[in-house]
Parts: sequence; C-alpha cells; structure tokens
Amino acid sequence: DIQMTQSPSSLSASVGDKVTITCRASQSISNFLNWYQQKPGKAPELLIYATLTLKTGVPSRFSGSRSGTTFTLTINSLQPEDFATYFCQQSYSNPPNLSFGGGTRVDI
Amino acid sequence: QVQLVQSGAEVKKPGSSVKVSCKASGGSFSANTITWVRQAPGHGLEWLGGIMPLSGTINHARKFQGRVTFAADTSTNTASMEVRSLTSEDTAVYYCAKVAQELGGAVDLWGQGTQITVSS
Repeated sequence: DIQMTQSPSSLSASVGDKVTITCRASQSISNFLNWYQQKPGKAPELLIYATLTLKTGVPSRFSGSRSGTTFTLTINSLQPEDFATYFCQQSYSNPPNLSFGGGTRVDI
Repeated sequence: QVQLVQSGAEVKKPGSSVKVSCKASGGSFSANTITWVRQAPGHGLEWLGGIMPLSGTINHARKFQGRVTFAADTSTNTASMEVRSLTSEDTAVYYCAKVAQELGGAVDLWGQGTQITVSS
C-alpha cells in the first residue's frame, strides 16, 4: 500500500504569511495527488487536484507543486479563513486505495 | 446540484453492528465511485473502501476486509456501509463521498458525516 507522509503536523502562522505544507509518497504516484481543507465540525473540501489544478472557486493564493514523490501545498498571504487542517491524498492506486496524509493543522 | 445526505448519529454497544446510509439528493451517483472515509476524534482521515454502483465493484482497505460491507441501490441513489463487531476504536465520524474520475480520482463531494459512538 502507498503511504503518505505529511509534514509538519501543525504550524502557527499569522495573517499575510506564506505557508508551505509537504506530502511525501512512499512510491511514485505520478501527479495523482490531491489537497483538502477541513474546518472544525465540517467535512473536508477539495482544494487542489492532480497536483496543481485548483478546484473552481478556490482562491489563487493556493498552489500546488511536485518534485519527484514530494508534493507541496503553498498558501501565499494567509487569510483568516485559511486557518484549518489540510490533508493530502493519493488517488494513484489501482485497485483504488485513497490513502491520506496525517494532516497539517494551521493555527494562528 | 447533487448533495450526499447521510443518516443520523448512532450510539452502539461493543460487538454490535451499524449501518450508515448515503443518499444522492438532486441527481444520480451511479456513474461515480462512492467512497467511505472515517475520522476518529482528533485524528486524521482514514479510507475504508468504496463501491462503483453501476458495476457493483467493491474495494476495501485491507484493515477493514471482512468487517465492513458496502452496497448501493441505483434505483434510489442510495449507498450504504455496514460495520460489524464494533469496538470503541470505531467511534468516529463516517463520511460518504463521491470520487470524480474526471479530476484524477479526487473526492469532490462529501456527505455531512455521521457520528458513530461505540460505548457500553
């Protein structure tokens, strides 16, 4: 099974900061990497799919990139509504096995 | 616009079973995979498995093979998941969600979640 290792598990930041979250896959997953945002008491929401494509309506301050099996979510100029937990997830496995990273909590 | 509406919270005894339903409201999910994910208190997201309603193809996470059953009724656009032999470690919010193959297999629609509490 493909393992996803996400770091850091939590971070503190201020409004206007640039934030970087990393997710490493245990094997090649091509570009089949997705990012989700979850706020307390709510279901996760898709932010970015296929490594770097923003879902419609997601602000452009969010971006995704890849270097080998390491994927990065970057939030430029953090906004108050961005304080949440972020998860990566691979969708490469066949048969499907939608393994998630452990999550990164972004606090003020 | 399609929404996934899940059944309500339940409290179960250890050793019992629970069934959670997930209805697609405002559309059909037959052409998509419905997947199930759970989140224990203060923990991350854990994939349980999923079903392709049109073909009936089912995939389980290895950990849940033999203890979790998935089903789907295309006539009512309702999927369901049953977990047997519950323990306190199964206490979690359970989500159904739709996999979008056109988005590389990302999950683009989630149900509201169902709280399952296992307690004696």
